Parts: sequence; C-alpha cells; structure tokens
Amino acid sequence: SQQGEEDPQALSIQEGENATMNCSYKTSINNLQWYRQNSGRGLVHLILIRSNEREKHSGRLRVTLDTSKKSSSLLITASRAADTASYFCATERGSTLGRLYFGRGTQLTVWP
Amino acid sequence: EAQVTQNPRYLITVTGKKLTVTCSQNMNHEYMSWYRQDPGLGLRQIYYSMNVEVTDKGDVPEGYKVSRKEKRNFPLILESPSPNQTSLYFCASRATAGGDYNEQFFGPGTRLTVL
Repeated sequence: SQQGEEDPQALSIQEGENATMNCSYKTSINNLQWYRQNSGRGLVHLILIRSNEREKHSGRLRVTLDTSKKSSSLLITASRAADTASYFCATERGSTLGRLYFGRGTQLTVWP
Repeated sequence: EAQVTQNPRYLITVTGKKLTVTCSQNMNHEYMSWYRQDPGLGLRQIYYSMNVEVTDKGDVPEGYKVSRKEKRNFPLILESPSPNQTSLYFCASRATAGGDYNEQFFGPGTRLTVL
C-alpha cells in the first residue's frame, strides 16, 4: 500500500528556476528518502532524512521534514534541463526496516 | 563498482511460460527486495529477504516466488505469468548491519510483457 503521496503530480518550470515537490505520509517513520527516476530507468537515491532531522542539504537539493504534519518537501535550486525526471518520496518505518513505501511521484520537466 | 544487476532487462513472453528474473548485488548487503512499478501506482514491494534463507511477502506477492540461497542473489520467479504481471520490475538491496539509516540501491529494471 502507498505510504507517501507527492504533490504536485506534474511540475513544469524554466531552467534556473527552483522546483519544490511535496510529500505527505500517514504513519510514523524511521526515515524518508527521495529518489529520482529518468524515464523508464532505475531509481537513483538522492537524499535520506532521519525522523529526528528537520532539514538536510546535498548540493542543489534541500529536503525538509515535518513529522508533526507528516510531510516533507524537496527543493531543487537553479534547475537544469538534466533535472527532468520523476521524483519519488519513500518512507521507511522502524518496524519494517528495509521496506520502502513509495508515493506515485512528481514528474518534473525543466525547459531550456 | 557497487551495483545491483538484473537480467534480462527486457522480456516478452506468453501466458503460462515460467520465467526467472535474476538479481545480484556485490555489496554484501543483507536485505534484498523486489518491487514492481505500474503507471499511476508507483512502486510496490513484491517480496523481500532479510538474509540468506529468510524471505517474506511484501504488498503484492500473488503470482511470484523468490529464493535466497546465496547472499548476493535474489531471483524472482513467475511460475505461470499472466498479462496482469506486465510491469517494470526493480530489484533493490540495502545493508542492515551498521545502522538503521542506510540507503537502498536499485537495479536498472526489467521490463516484462506477458502476452
């Protein structure tokens, strides 16, 4: 069963703009992870944020986590055409470590 | 290079013809799992394995079998494939030793079509 739900389903922006994607989930988590998938290809791990963390950075990526609202956001700054992909959030619960619960993803298109 | 490999990458088969999709990882990970990805549904876990000879069902196990005889390999078996198993399949692995916050590594995917 799906745990995460991304919002929006699709996002279209110009190069140089920032892209923000949101993820909501329903139950307690151990950590939340964001993945990128280029069309029909494998998933690439972007960033993992633990349940006791509120914000994390990695290059142009910034992830926030609000466990009280059961939500997370992924910000990609200064987007590039190469960032065009689907982005998924996935949660991992403490009771079932290793098992990821994915949302349906946000399709990001960055126009040159 | 640390990686998860899957074979075949593409497969077209007919209903009822048994098939196996292989998965192998070279990172000595304890945890391995299989997911399927369908449009509008995201990824759903089929089966997982915590270690050698330890396997368990995920969210959508019907019609699938797995085995974990060696730590590095985790094949997915479809005994009698049906058209509703047409999907994109991903194998993944994760270390469990050393912490609760380990990322998962995904294979490149196997696109299966059952006619």
